Amino acid sequence: AQTVTQSQPEMSVQEAETVTLSCTYDTSESDYYLFWYKQPPSRQMILVIRQEAYKQQNATENRFSVNFQKAAKSFSLKISDSQLGDAAMYFCASKIQGGSEKLVFGKGTKLTVNP
Amino acid sequence: DAGITQSPRHKVTETGTPVTLRCHQTENHRYMYWYRQDPGHGLRLIHYSYGVKDTDKGEVSDGYSVSRSKTEDFLLTLESATSSQTSVYFCAISSPESRYSPLHFGNGTRLTVT
Repeated sequence: AQTVTQSQPEMSVQEAETVTLSCTYDTSESDYYLFWYKQPPSRQMILVIRQEAYKQQNATENRFSVNFQKAAKSFSLKISDSQLGDAAMYFCASKIQGGSEKLVFGKGTKLTVNP
Repeated sequence: DAGITQSPRHKVTETGTPVTLRCHQTENHRYMYWYRQDPGHGLRLIHYSYGVKDTDKGEVSDGYSVSRSKTEDFLLTLESATSSQTSVYFCAISSPESRYSPLHFGNGTRLTVT
């Protein structure tokens, strides 16, 4: 069974600063993917970044990057130069390749960006 | 963005009434999913479909049924709505042909059961 844990229900950051959101997961599979989704107040689910488990290199998308520690089953999201538009709920999720292709989500972290 | 439409966008209903939520996709994706989102719980899978007339249960399937008679449509039915089913419901699609594919989500349906 897959589980995803986000231990920080809420986080805050000053505009232009850097913040890291934590995520740990558990799976017995070797072929899996990890994702971070952003959900602004509009309720839309937006893919932020994704990581393939077999790739050692950490994924990066502009100001967003991950720290993927496979042995520790950790997948944290770093947001650099935080902007007011980054304020949202952030969900970590895992997917096992093959089978149902379903995502298992963490409970989310609410990020506030202070001006 | 992936073509996913959920209807209705909002609905208020009374306890004990049947409710059907609709998800329509234009991407011809094989997999479709229904999730519910509740504060403190994240998104939890209700049911999913891996093809026409092929469905399976997720982790919170009690009180819900689904049907998929066409590739593009996936219906979620609450046979007799209860207050505990007040939630935001999301439909999602994916294509396993792309190994790297994430789920693409609709904009959600806010359901209130009074």
